Amino acid sequence: EIVLTQSPGTLSLSPGERATLSCRASQSVSSTYLAWYQQKPGQAPRLLIYGASSRATGIPDRFSGSGSGTDFTLTISRLEPEDFAVYYCQQYGSPPFTFGPGTKVDIK
Amino acid sequence: EVQLLESGGGLVQPGGSLRLSCAASGFTFSSYAMSWVRQAPGKGLEWVSAISGSGGNTYYADSVKGRFTISRDNSKNTLYLQMNSLGAEDTAIYYCAKANPNSSGWYWGQGTLVTVSS
Repeated sequence: EIVLTQSPGTLSLSPGERATLSCRASQSVSSTYLAWYQQKPGQAPRLLIYGASSRATGIPDRFSGSGSGTDFTLTISRLEPEDFAVYYCQQYGSPPFTFGPGTKVDIK
Repeated sequence: EVQLLESGGGLVQPGGSLRLSCAASGFTFSSYAMSWVRQAPGKGLEWVSAISGSGGNTYYADSVKGRFTISRDNSKNTLYLQMNSLGAEDTAIYYCAKANPNSSGWYWGQGTLVTVSS
């Protein structure tokens, strides 16, 4: 099973600042099958990034993904008020599919 | 428009059973693998089970293997999760999720809450 570790656990930033979230895998993950999701309280997860770097439909270009192998990054270039949420990475190449524990981005 | 609507959640006693359903619309249901993912209160996401488009291949997390059964009825565009021998650790929101075309991530329903308590 591929274990995903996310850091930091919590990121406290102000609107307008840049957020950099990390996702590290216990073994190599094909970039094709690495996704990032945003989740707000009381809502289902929303797909942001798939294939490590492709933005899902309707996702603003301030969100970008990068990385390969075991190290992946989600960057939010300038935080908007609606971006404060929990972010999860996921590998979906083959079962068991796994998620990271999440990074909470909160308002400083 | 893709829609996934989960139902069947509720309060069940420890050791009991429950069957969740996920009604799908807006796409050719039989062409896509589907998954169940759960989220315990205040916790992260945990993949539970997956099934291929035809239903011929099924996969389970170790935490539910032998207790949960995933299935689908492609004539009814519906995904199921039969949950037996439920324990407090199964208390969670259960989401169904659709694998998008060309490995472009997953689309999620809004979830149904399962509470296991006496």
